[in-house]
Amino acid sequence: GAVVSQHPSRVICKSGTSVKIECRSLDFQATTMFWYRQFPKQSLMLMATSNEGSKATYEQGVEKDKFLINHASLTLSTLTVTSAHPEDSSFYICSASPGSGSSTQYFGPGTRLTVL
Amino acid sequence: GNSVTQMEGPVTLSEEAFLTINCTYTATGYPSLFWYVQYPGEGLQLLLKATKADDKGSNKGFEATYRKETTSFHLEKGSVQVSDSAVYFCALSPTQAGTALIFGKGTTLSVSS
Repeated sequence: GAVVSQHPSRVICKSGTSVKIECRSLDFQATTMFWYRQFPKQSLMLMATSNEGSKATYEQGVEKDKFLINHASLTLSTLTVTSAHPEDSSFYICSASPGSGSSTQYFGPGTRLTVL
Repeated sequence: GNSVTQMEGPVTLSEEAFLTINCTYTATGYPSLFWYVQYPGEGLQLLLKATKADDKGSNKGFEATYRKETTSFHLEKGSVQVSDSAVYFCALSPTQAGTALIFGKGTTLSVSS
């Protein structure tokens, strides 16, 4: 089946630093990838839609200058949390769809970010 | 607009009990419907899906039928196991491919032996 990986799985950083999270589709090409944020015991909140070769589309209330998204290839999207603060601590999950008319999305295992 | 409503949890069952988690949706057009499962500390795994009315998705003993007349996609399993303890999310994908999923709030299932 389709596999999506994320790296790192867990990261702890100091306040004010930047953190990059990678999302890769391992066995399929993904024109579109999605980034979600999940707070404890809550559902997933869509942050942005990442389109290969173009700018990401951000959801209302998500700061595009703080959460930088780059979709450099059909198998890689990155999310950079810039100048991280403790309130950015969360579980970040990406997903990707094989496209070609398929609506099924496959999710990465998530990245636990803790900002001290 | 599009939305998904799931029954509130947590759901607590004994091993081998019957499971139903209700899910209803509101959508324009003909969405695809999904159930995802999330184990503690992990991402989401696709459990099953249905892409058109009356389709039944099934996997690992779980089933759900796409009911357009009642706009529902209830998840069922005849005999749950302790290993089924997880959070279950119902989701829909609008008609167009390449759009983000719309999730329900999730239902926590806890199965005891």
